[in-house]
Amino acid sequence: AQRVTQPEKLLSVFKGAPVELKCNYSYSGSPELFWYVQYSRQRLQLLLRHISRESIKGFTADLNKGETSFHLKKPFAQEEDSAMYYCALSGRSGGYQKVTFGTGTKLQVIP
Amino acid sequence: EAQVTQNPRYLITVTGKKLTVTCSQNMNHEYMSWYRQDPGLGLRQIYYSMNVEVTDKGDVPEGYKVSRKEKRNFPLILESPSPNQTSLYFCASRPQGLAGGNEQFFGPGTRLTVL
Repeated sequence: AQRVTQPEKLLSVFKGAPVELKCNYSYSGSPELFWYVQYSRQRLQLLLRHISRESIKGFTADLNKGETSFHLKKPFAQEEDSAMYYCALSGRSGGYQKVTFGTGTKLQVIP
Repeated sequence: EAQVTQNPRYLITVTGKKLTVTCSQNMNHEYMSWYRQDPGLGLRQIYYSMNVEVTDKGDVPEGYKVSRKEKRNFPLILESPSPNQTSLYFCASRPQGLAGGNEQFFGPGTRLTVL
């Protein structure tokens, strides 16, 4: 079974402070990991995926297989980063790719 | 424009009155899925479909039904809604490749209230 854990329901930081949203996963094979973001009253949208090794809106995330983590980081938080963030894992299950989401972390950036 | 659409966007109904929430995508995606979003519980998968006529239960399927007669449509059916099904519902789709890394595209959400 695959599982995604986001231990923090709410993370409050001041503008300009570093941000780290935690994500841990459980999966027996090689996972595909994603971060999705949901701004207020909007649909979820992909922020970044680990295979792309990209930086989007200043956010990065590195897959650490030893610690089974995929934490999302940004060196300097901006007010517009306030949103709900979901970590997701795509893994093979019975011959298909199944996607599992974490419970989400609400990021609140204080001006 | 490539998108996932849901209807209705808002619905207030009463216990026991059957309802259907439609979901449609125009990207020729094989995989479609329904989620419910509740405070403190995040996104939980209700049902998913790998392709036409292929559906399976997600983590919270009780009280819901789905069908996938066409590739573009994946309606969510509540035969006898109850108040605990009051939630925000999202439909999503993505290509079903053998490899992962495929982005899921989400609909705008349907806010359902069951009185």
